[in-house]
Amino acid sequence: AQTVTQSQPEMSVQEAETVTLSCTYDTSENNYYLFWYKQPPSRQMILVIRQEAYKQQNATENRFSVNFQKAAKSFSLKISDSQLGDTAMYFCAFLYFGNEKLTFGTGTRLTIIP
Amino acid sequence: NAGVMQNPRHLVRRRGQEARLRCSPMKGHSHVYWYRQLPEEGLKFMVYLQKENIIDESGMPKERFSAEFPKEGPSILRIQQVVRGDSAAYFCASSPSGGLNIQYFGAGTRLSVL
Repeated sequence: AQTVTQSQPEMSVQEAETVTLSCTYDTSENNYYLFWYKQPPSRQMILVIRQEAYKQQNATENRFSVNFQKAAKSFSLKISDSQLGDTAMYFCAFLYFGNEKLTFGTGTRLTIIP
Repeated sequence: NAGVMQNPRHLVRRRGQEARLRCSPMKGHSHVYWYRQLPEEGLKFMVYLQKENIIDESGMPKERFSAEFPKEGPSILRIQQVVRGDSAAYFCASSPSGGLNIQYFGAGTRLSVL
């Protein structure tokens, strides 16, 4: 079975600073995707970024980037120049080919302090 | 192109009543997934459907819960004889096909059982 672990229940950072959220996962699969979803107070689940396991290059979306370490099974999210609108729960998730159900971590509550 | 539409956003039921949650996938998407989020937890997979077929219901409780995705109309998650433990946010996601595709989420239905 696949597991996703987020070891930081809560984090806070000053506006404009950089913050990194941790995620580790356990799998014996080779062909899979990893995702970061954001859930603001509105509770809408919003895709932030995704990474294909076969790609060595780390994914980047504007201020959001990942550090994907396949051997270590680590998938951290870096938010640069943090903004108040980044305040949300962040969930790491895993999906592998042939089993189309996302496995989520327990989330990290991120607060951006003005 | 409208996103995934879920209704109602909030649903209040008394113990023993039935709850019906609706999900209209994004245009062109034929795959639907239902997830449940208990308070302060991550999302947990319940069921994966294609039009007129249940593909994977391994996360669905064996009793009282059922799901369908008819040829015409939205996908329905039905909970019979609700109990307080069913109180949760229920999210629907859709994708254009199976495999390693992004799942786009609706805003969820928050079910409260009195």
